[in-house]
Amino acid sequence: DSGVTQTPKHLITATGQRVTLRCSPRSGDLSVYWYQQSLDQGLQFLIQYYNGEERAKGNILERFSAQQFPDLHSELNLSSLELGDSALYFCASSVVGVLGSGANVLTFGAGSRLTVL
Amino acid sequence: AQTVTQSQPEMSVQEAETVTLSCTYDTSENNYYLFWYKQPPSRQMILVIRQEAYKQQNATENRFSVNFQKAAKSFSLKISDSQLGDTAMYFCAFMTTTFQGGSEKLVFGKGTKLTVNP
Repeated sequence: DSGVTQTPKHLITATGQRVTLRCSPRSGDLSVYWYQQSLDQGLQFLIQYYNGEERAKGNILERFSAQQFPDLHSELNLSSLELGDSALYFCASSVVGVLGSGANVLTFGAGSRLTVL
Repeated sequence: AQTVTQSQPEMSVQEAETVTLSCTYDTSENNYYLFWYKQPPSRQMILVIRQEAYKQQNATENRFSVNFQKAAKSFSLKISDSQLGDTAMYFCAFMTTTFQGGSEKLVFGKGTKLTVNP
């Protein structure tokens, strides 16, 4: 158990629908990252939050949004789902941001596998 | 933008032998970190080893070691005494460091699928 909890583990839904993926970071970690892993695109960085605020944005579609709550858990919302959104979505956390530098290590959750039919 | 290239999509090795996975990266930064993550069939991402760019000494973790060549922007992973449990996808990853603002996100290569044969 990495200490990063993601729910649900598996999700099957239809095109056009909306889903929410949830992530609880390791105790003490202030930063949360979301990654998408698909067969043809590898691991793509979507977005990072630090202590409730957006810190960096990567290849995140406009149909996707995320937030980090005061208790530091994060949610990734995916809407108007398309077949191509089927992927494994990882959340990771780290302590980065306290000093802004350091040999920070991202700890990953087990992922949420989304299948869009 | 930083890029990470893993030129070997698949590799195989016999149990107890040694194998080296290649990784090159491109950056204009001077301070950064490099990582190898392992993704077994369970799909969990597991940190194998990390290297700080300012350290000349190559990192080692038990049977895992790296050959870090900063000038060549090369970061290879050597696995000694390979075990069946080492069968996994291995990802090389790059992280920059910034003092204020910015993001310590990881940029990943496409991965190398390693199979350890009995």
